[in-house]
Amino acid sequence: GAVVSQHPSRVICKSGTSVKIECRSLDFQATTMFWYRQFPKQSLMLMATSNEGSKATYEQGVEKDKFLINHASLTLSTLTVTSAHPEDSSFYICSARVQRDTQYFGPGTRLTVL
Amino acid sequence: AQSVTQPDIHITVSEGASLELRCNYSYGATPYLFWYVQSPGQGLQLLLKYFSGDTLVQGIKGFEAEFKRSQSSFNLRKPSVHWSDAAEYFCAVGADYGGSQGNLIFGKGTKLSVKP
Repeated sequence: GAVVSQHPSRVICKSGTSVKIECRSLDFQATTMFWYRQFPKQSLMLMATSNEGSKATYEQGVEKDKFLINHASLTLSTLTVTSAHPEDSSFYICSARVQRDTQYFGPGTRLTVL
Repeated sequence: AQSVTQPDIHITVSEGASLELRCNYSYGATPYLFWYVQSPGQGLQLLLKYFSGDTLVQGIKGFEAEFKRSQSSFNLRKPSVHWSDAAEYFCAVGADYGGSQGNLIFGKGTKLSVKP
């Protein structure tokens, strides 16, 4: 099956710093990738849709200036959490759409902001 | 608006027993339906999906699900549960097709515990 990787798997940072999370499709090309956020014992909430070569589409309530998304190639999308604060601590999961809206998910990145 | 409901937050079954996880959806057209499994601290793994055709779909790890349009349901089943099946299970519906992004809307999940 299609494999999606995320790096790093865990990151701890100080409040006010920025953190970049990478999402890669390893054995296929993905024109569309998605970024989700998952709070403890909660479901996944879509943050934004990342399209290769164009601006990301953000869901209502998600600050585009805080969560910067770049999809520079067909195999890589990055999410940068700028000026991170403790409330940004969460589990961030990316996915890549293969076909007919089947998405393959990365293993997630646990962000802790001190 | 599209929505997914998983009525059971937590289910505990004995190893070897059968399992059924419930999922109901709200969607105006024929939905694309998915079941994913998430182990602690991990991403989601696709178990199975329904797009069209046979309403009983087979997935990985011995799981199956049945699409019932009249009940707006897509329940996940397994005849004999293994201890390794303990995880969180998410039902999802694909939303906004026809040129849109095709993002998924997830239910809140059902946590499955397996007793020895």
